[in-house]
Amino acid sequence: QITLKESGPTLLKVTEALTLTCSFSGFSLTTNGVGVAWVRQTPGGALEWLGSVLWNGEQRYNPSLTNRVTITGDTSRNQVVLTLTKMAPVDAGTYFCAHYIWYRQLFNVWGQGTLVTVSS
Amino acid sequence: QSILTQPRSVSGSPGQSVTISCTGTSTDIGNYKHVSWYQQLPGKAPQLIIFDVTERPPGVPDRFSGSKSGNTASLTISGLRPEDEAVYHCCSYAGNYRVLLAGGTRLTV
Repeated sequence: QITLKESGPTLLKVTEALTLTCSFSGFSLTTNGVGVAWVRQTPGGALEWLGSVLWNGEQRYNPSLTNRVTITGDTSRNQVVLTLTKMAPVDAGTYFCAHYIWYRQLFNVWGQGTLVTVSS
Repeated sequence: QSILTQPRSVSGSPGQSVTISCTGTSTDIGNYKHVSWYQQLPGKAPQLIIFDVTERPPGVPDRFSGSKSGNTASLTISGLRPEDEAVYHCCSYAGNYRVLLAGGTRLTV
């Protein structure tokens, strides 16, 4: 059974960096065609793909966030870390990590999500 | 950056059918078969219900079906049930490892 869970500080101030950890089980990040993605949901409900780390170590990011987002995988600890710099109020929302099947371009299983607040 | 467009809300009565559209462009929905749909129940994470335009994961009822025509993908839910009330999000591959997600459509039963 695949499970994922997000963790990390959830109250930030403007200009600070967000660092969230996705701890997962039930799969290996070295399995061909597999990845872990980060997706966030605005308070209005819209989903936005932030980026993914793939089985081969490659990272892919949303072009609108390229200069601010980093996603790294630790295969030995079954964790994936999201870093988003220069947080602003528009970055507030719920952040999800998800098991990602690259060959099908789908998010197979999602974590429960963590609500991030940005204060000025 | 491309944007996928969904209606903000749709509604239907129990037993009826509803269709939710998702409009993209020739560089995303119109160019790839990797269109997926996610159901998000209140307070929960999204859950995959359709992938590759028409395919259902195990356990998803056949009341849920997907299709695509040109740059528009559609999700049809037949035999509506009260438990289908949720937000439905469409998603499309957009090339170069990029993924697009839409704003979501709230279904009221």
